[in-house]
Amino acid sequence: AQSVAQPEDQVNVAEGNPLTVKCTYSVSGNPYLFWYVQYPNRGLQFLLKYITGDNLVKGSYGFEAEFNKSQTSFHLKKPSALVSDSALYFCAVRQNTGGFKTIFGAGTRLFVKA
Amino acid sequence: DVKVTQSSRYLVKRTGEKVFLECVQDMDHENMFWYRQDPGLGLRLIYFSYDVKMKEKGDIPEGYSVSREKKERFSLILESASTNQTSMYLCASSLGTGDSQPQHFGDGTRLSIL
Repeated sequence: AQSVAQPEDQVNVAEGNPLTVKCTYSVSGNPYLFWYVQYPNRGLQFLLKYITGDNLVKGSYGFEAEFNKSQTSFHLKKPSALVSDSALYFCAVRQNTGGFKTIFGAGTRLFVKA
Repeated sequence: DVKVTQSSRYLVKRTGEKVFLECVQDMDHENMFWYRQDPGLGLRLIYFSYDVKMKEKGDIPEGYSVSREKKERFSLILESASTNQTSMYLCASSLGTGDSQPQHFGDGTRLSIL
């Protein structure tokens, strides 16, 4: 069965410092992996995805994520955090062998302090 | 840009009422989804549809039904609302079947059942 774990409910970081939001997954076969962000009272917005190829994926707003097959991880990173990055972040996984179902993690709340 | 529009941002209903949540997308996407979002649980899939008049149960379909009479519109129905259905409901759409495209979300409907 597919599953996604975001081990931290909350991540706190100072503005200007690098940030990492962790995600590990379990899926049969090769995965499609996604990161989404949710701002207050809004739906989820797509940030980036991993399909195949280069393990480092770049996305919107300066975010990137590193796919590690051996550790089954897909951590979200940003070199320099902004206060405006404060939001709820969701990791998601889908099997790439077809099907419609995407499994979402429970979410990690990021606080960036000025 | 893809636009997914949910008809209500906030809705208050009474126990036992039949409740309709409407969702419209403007990008001719084949797939549409209904999720509920609860703190600490992430997003849980209620139903999805991969074509007009087609529907599949997600992880938590009990107490819900759906309707997709037109490609752009996907309705979620609470047959007899109960207090444990108080939640944030998110509609999403995506292009194609079993592909790597991300889902596009509406801004959500916060539903309170009294």
